[in-house]
Amino acid sequence: GEDVEQSLFLSVREGDSSVINCTYTDSSSTYLYWYKQEPGAGLQLLTYIFSNMDMKQDQRLTVLLNKKDKHLSLRIADTQTGDSAIYFCAEKGQGGKLIFGQGTELSVKP
Amino acid sequence: KAGVTQTPRYLIKTRGQQVTLSCSPISGHRSVSWYQQTPGQGLQFLFEYFSETQRNKGNFPGRFSGRQFSNSRSEMNVSTLELGDSALYLCASSLSGGTQETQYFGPGTRLLVL
Repeated sequence: GEDVEQSLFLSVREGDSSVINCTYTDSSSTYLYWYKQEPGAGLQLLTYIFSNMDMKQDQRLTVLLNKKDKHLSLRIADTQTGDSAIYFCAEKGQGGKLIFGQGTELSVKP
Repeated sequence: KAGVTQTPRYLIKTRGQQVTLSCSPISGHRSVSWYQQTPGQGLQFLFEYFSETQRNKGNFPGRFSGRQFSNSRSEMNVSTLELGDSALYLCASSLSGGTQETQYFGPGTRLLVL
């Protein structure tokens, strides 16, 4: 079946690195995504990784993919208070629909 | 290029009423997907439209329906509203809905059913 799991909360200090973890079940997923949602807003695409990659870096964001363990992580370097939001991991399911995790609420303390 | 737009942004309805939400995709995008977001169930896929045809459907009752117009704009309709339909409804667009394509989301329509 298709299922995506994330931890619900993460609290870090400003300037630290944040690591948000995600596990998924569909080994046929070709793309995995990270979206960010700020209060009252829609989903903002942060980054994505193709399943034949194990790492992708984009400025302060690093995505690591362990396909054997079906584990995905998002590292945010030098986390800022403006990074406080809910982060969703998603995989492409059957028919191209996105299957989302529950979201991880990141709280950045000054 | 303008992003995905959704109207209205907020709606208040009462039980038993019906509601229509609108989504305009990014210019050139022909696939539109709808998702429901609630605190209890999270983000769930409703349906996807491409070339005016529903191509994929999630596990929602028949009260939830949609359509797509020739200009790729899409509407979704919820009839006989229930309290549990209170949610943020998000629309996403992509070029053709292919598995290699990224979906871009609009700001959502927040529906409150009283």
